[in-house]
Amino acid sequence: SAVISQKPSRDICQRGTSLTIQCQVDSQVTMMFWYRQQPGQSLTLIATANQGSEATYESGFVIDKFPISRPNLTFSTLTVSNMSPEDSSIYLCSVEGGQGPKGSAFFGQGTRLTVV
Amino acid sequence: DQQVKQNSPSLSVQEGRISILNCDYTNSMFDYFLWYKKYPAEGPTFLISISSIKDKNEDGRFTVFLNKSAKHLSLHIVPSQPGDSAVYFCAASEKETSGSRLTFGEGTQLTVNP
Repeated sequence: SAVISQKPSRDICQRGTSLTIQCQVDSQVTMMFWYRQQPGQSLTLIATANQGSEATYESGFVIDKFPISRPNLTFSTLTVSNMSPEDSSIYLCSVEGGQGPKGSAFFGQGTRLTVV
Repeated sequence: DQQVKQNSPSLSVQEGRISILNCDYTNSMFDYFLWYKKYPAEGPTFLISISSIKDKNEDGRFTVFLNKSAKHLSLHIVPSQPGDSAVYFCAASEKETSGSRLTFGEGTQLTVNP
């Protein structure tokens, strides 16, 4: 199984500012995924990040708002830009399950973001 | 458009009894279904999965049933234990989709009372 570390674990930010969330994996992975869980809602995929190429964004998410970096096979960042209270969520990164069942994924512990 | 739905936000059962968590989906392209468990302040952890070519998969106390015609799956936990108290997410992935691009339900908070 992969061990995923996310930083920060939580933050309170002022509206209009930006926050960059880091995700570090203890093994090399091809794809990393960023999800958002708004209060009381399901996890929603924001984008898929492949090393060496642009991230692929899901409907409703754009690069200007959620720029993603993937400089190598063990690290990725997600930036939440120009934040508003509606961005208050838990943000999670995940990676493929490797030797696990098809479609399974490992998740980081999440970053709880509150925008005031 | 919520493609995966868990209509029960919470479920409470007695220790030793069966817990049944339900999930419905609308996208006929989904071919793989998973259950994740999430404790507070932790990320979801994979629990059990089932391919669309099967109707049942069992792993210890956990069994997942799939009814493709009804687009319904359920997770059975028996016997339930207090340590099973967590939020359970149903998730699905589509055909031709690589990696672990998942669509999640809203989650069901399971409470197992001693």
